[in-house]
Amino acid sequence: DAGITQSPRYKITETGRQVTLMCHQTWSHSYMFWYRQDLGHGLRLIYYSAAADITDKGEVPDGYVVSRSKTENFPLTLESATRSQTSVYFCASISIRGAEAFFGQGTRLTVV
Amino acid sequence: KQEVTQIPAALSVPEGENLVLNCSFTDSAIYNLQWFRQDPGKGLTSLLLIQSSQREQTSGRLNASLDKSSGRSTLYIAASQPGDSATYLCAGRGHYQLIWGAGTKLIIKP
Repeated sequence: DAGITQSPRYKITETGRQVTLMCHQTWSHSYMFWYRQDLGHGLRLIYYSAAADITDKGEVPDGYVVSRSKTENFPLTLESATRSQTSVYFCASISIRGAEAFFGQGTRLTVV
Repeated sequence: KQEVTQIPAALSVPEGENLVLNCSFTDSAIYNLQWFRQDPGKGLTSLLLIQSSQREQTSGRLNASLDKSSGRSTLYIAASQPGDSATYLCAGRGHYQLIWGAGTKLIIKP
């Protein structure tokens, strides 16, 4: 299917475990983003990538790691999950700087 | 630093009314402004994108305008329906990232 897909859709993990959220887009968009959405904070940027092998920190990067070895994939890893990382995570992509942004359906992560 | 504000935070109107959602931003140097819809527990659906050189965009019953000089965008919904109930978010694009408003929660009463 064309578009941007995230997996898993739901995940429960324990404190201290490593967990990876996957994001895949089929358009070959240059830019990809990871956001988290929390009540009272809205959407906050975690990391973004302008192209394969180019990544940079956003507003709330601590505790997260990203990689982008291929244009279409942008995984987000929580190295040692904490309860404060319980959130809904959204991946997004755009083709060029001024283009429309498209979002995945989100991953609801619960850290217990 | 770019800030985006949405007013009102919540709005409840009877079905059939025309309504306007407001979005204001502090920095006029935006590439574009995008309106999204989010249903409870769901992802974000792009509704309209207005480039910085444009003044408005239309899609069906939706019309979005952009006035960079005043730092404002509006989303006009005509003949509202219960299915329009959702949270509406606006986001201004800077160099690479979107700066988000907190959203307007819209309820359309049958």
